[in-house]
Amino acid sequence: QSALTQPASVSGSPGQSITISCTGTSSDVGGYNFASWYQQHPGKAPKLILYDVSNRPSGVSDRFSGSKSGNTASLIISGLQAEDEADYYCSSFTSSSTLRYVFGTGTKVTVL
Amino acid sequence: EVQLVESGGGLVQPGGSLRLSCAASGFTFSDHYMDWVRQAPGTGLEWVGRARNKANLYTTEYAASVKGRFTISRDDSKNSLYLQMNSLKTEDTAVYYCATSLNSHGSGFDNWGQGTQVTVSS
Repeated sequence: QSALTQPASVSGSPGQSITISCTGTSSDVGGYNFASWYQQHPGKAPKLILYDVSNRPSGVSDRFSGSKSGNTASLIISGLQAEDEADYYCSSFTSSSTLRYVFGTGTKVTVL
Repeated sequence: EVQLVESGGGLVQPGGSLRLSCAASGFTFSDHYMDWVRQAPGTGLEWVGRARNKANLYTTEYAASVKGRFTISRDDSKNSLYLQMNSLKTEDTAVYYCATSLNSHGSGFDNWGQGTQVTVSS
């Protein structure tokens, strides 16, 4: 079971929108609507920002949204703010015999 | 407020053992599935394993990379989760997080501890 594929880095200016992709297979992202996204600032624990592809936990800004097409899930951050600069990881439930959850390779978001 | 506090990390030699604990508060621990996730230095996240709740017979499952070496257990009377790690390898070096499962369906992890560092080195 390989990690889900994410771009290593994405950048944008304040106020812009950016999209982070997360590509897996039909055994994980494509097979279930259980993609989730996590934000991680340096030295901190990950924080859940989206689950079940597009649902936001209570307290998470509506500037974060999600979608899925085929084997690829996407995180959209609109109205980019300085505080959004962090690492972002996707994850998915998987039917693999070696894992129950698989994470993405991670994306460093830089606010220019 | 949900709190998860890991402890027990440290430096251990290859082949050694270590037991991590996760103390939970602020929610009904006994109702939740609980997971361990680790993060090796400068790398991404890796799911380690899960302990289901009493209703699901406290069953556990593990990533292939740790199966047979790691054991997850829980004590609902103490609101605590444990990770017994045996036959440790250098590649087990990581920050270990405990996390609550959002639900039993596979939706992800909604609360995380601050993590505890495990270093396997001679």
